[in-house]
Amino acid sequence: AQRVTQPEKLLSVFKGAPVELKCNYSYSGSPELFWYVQYSRQRLQLLLRHISRESIKGFTADLNKGETSFHLKKPFAQEEDSAMYYCALRKGSSNTGKLIFGQGTTLQVKP
Amino acid sequence: DVKVTQSSRYLVKRTGEKVFLECVQDMDHENMFWYRQDPGLGLRLIYFSYDVKMKEKGDIPEGYSVSREKKERFSLILESASTNQTSMYLCASRPGQGTFYGYTFGSGTRLTVV
Repeated sequence: AQRVTQPEKLLSVFKGAPVELKCNYSYSGSPELFWYVQYSRQRLQLLLRHISRESIKGFTADLNKGETSFHLKKPFAQEEDSAMYYCALRKGSSNTGKLIFGQGTTLQVKP
Repeated sequence: DVKVTQSSRYLVKRTGEKVFLECVQDMDHENMFWYRQDPGLGLRLIYFSYDVKMKEKGDIPEGYSVSREKKERFSLILESASTNQTSMYLCASRPGQGTFYGYTFGSGTRLTVV
């Protein structure tokens, strides 16, 4: 079955420290993965997609098919990065696909 | 420039009531979705719709139904609200064609059933 697992409910780091939010998935097809972020009192919004291979707000994520992982990384955390982060997997075609979300990880960046 | 609007931010309903959660999008998107968001469980898909009058069950449809009479509006219905349906409900939409760019989410409706 398709599944997305985020093993950490809470990740707490100090400002300037490296951050890695873990995401593992199980999917029999060719996966398409996303990271979404929800800042306090704001809507859930797309942070980045693996097919874009982009860096957004200093965050990057590499798809590792061998380890079935899509960890989100940032070399130097900022206080404004504090938020809830969700990893998501697209299930189905690009036209009709649905997103399956992980349990979410709260990132807390302390001053 | 709000794109996906959920009519209520907070709702308090009594057990057994019929509850309507409304979602409207102004982007002419074909696909619309309802999720519930619970701590430790993430987002779970309740129902979705690929087009007007079309609907499909998601992973947790029990106790819910939906209505999509117009392209821009997707309603979630709790036929007889129960306390275990207390949650944050998120609506989302996306285009039906082309590359999968991800969803646009509403701001959510926090429903409390007492």
